[in-house]
Amino acid sequence: EVQLLESGGDLVQPGGSLRLSCAASGFTFSSYAMSWVRQAPGKGLEWVSAITGGGSSTYYAESVKGRFTVSRDNSKNTLFLQMTSLRAEDTAVYYCAKGHYSGSYPYFDYWGQGTLVTVSS
Amino acid sequence: EIVLTQSPGTLSLSPGERVTLSCRASQSVSSSYLAWYQQKPGQAPRLLIYGASSRATGIPDRFSGSGSGTDFTLTISRLEPEDFAVYYCQQYGRSPHTFGQGTKLEIK
Repeated sequence: EVQLLESGGDLVQPGGSLRLSCAASGFTFSSYAMSWVRQAPGKGLEWVSAITGGGSSTYYAESVKGRFTVSRDNSKNTLFLQMTSLRAEDTAVYYCAKGHYSGSYPYFDYWGQGTLVTVSS
Repeated sequence: EIVLTQSPGTLSLSPGERVTLSCRASQSVSSSYLAWYQQKPGQAPRLLIYGASSRATGIPDRFSGSGSGTDFTLTISRLEPEDFAVYYCQQYGRSPHTFGQGTKLEIK
């Protein structure tokens, strides 16, 4: 059974940093692309970032480019999102999502339950 | 960036009715790389349709997708009580992999 468990969400001040993790199980982690998708309170889904299965290619939304970094540790079946220079508009539930294959154009066949990031003073 | 516009924003319907949701792209979506997701309150999204028309594993056949280029639709042939939720389309053929703003199906 595929499981994705996000952690690391917290209350952080504007300008601060946070690192999210997503622990994966139930599939061969290195064989699949992974992504982060966020949802601000009461709003729709926003794609944030993606990384291919081997980790060689990464992609970002313009709203987070230069501030967020996606990475993965395939030996530990874990996906990360390093977030810096956080803004109030980054407040959201952050979901990790499994791609359907290892490449750059995946749809998302499994999702975690999300972790809440709140940026406020 | 490909902008996806979903319509209508909200639909009020009764169980048993047929419904068609629209998703229009600002540019052609490569190779019909268009997916549909369902999200219920307090839950993560669930994949319904990929490749514009292929049903995901375990999705009932009352859900169907169609379209190509810039115009895509999701049809639910006969609404069940559990189908009242928010539906999102997403294109994954070009980065950023944008979502539409969602269509909410509510019970009349």
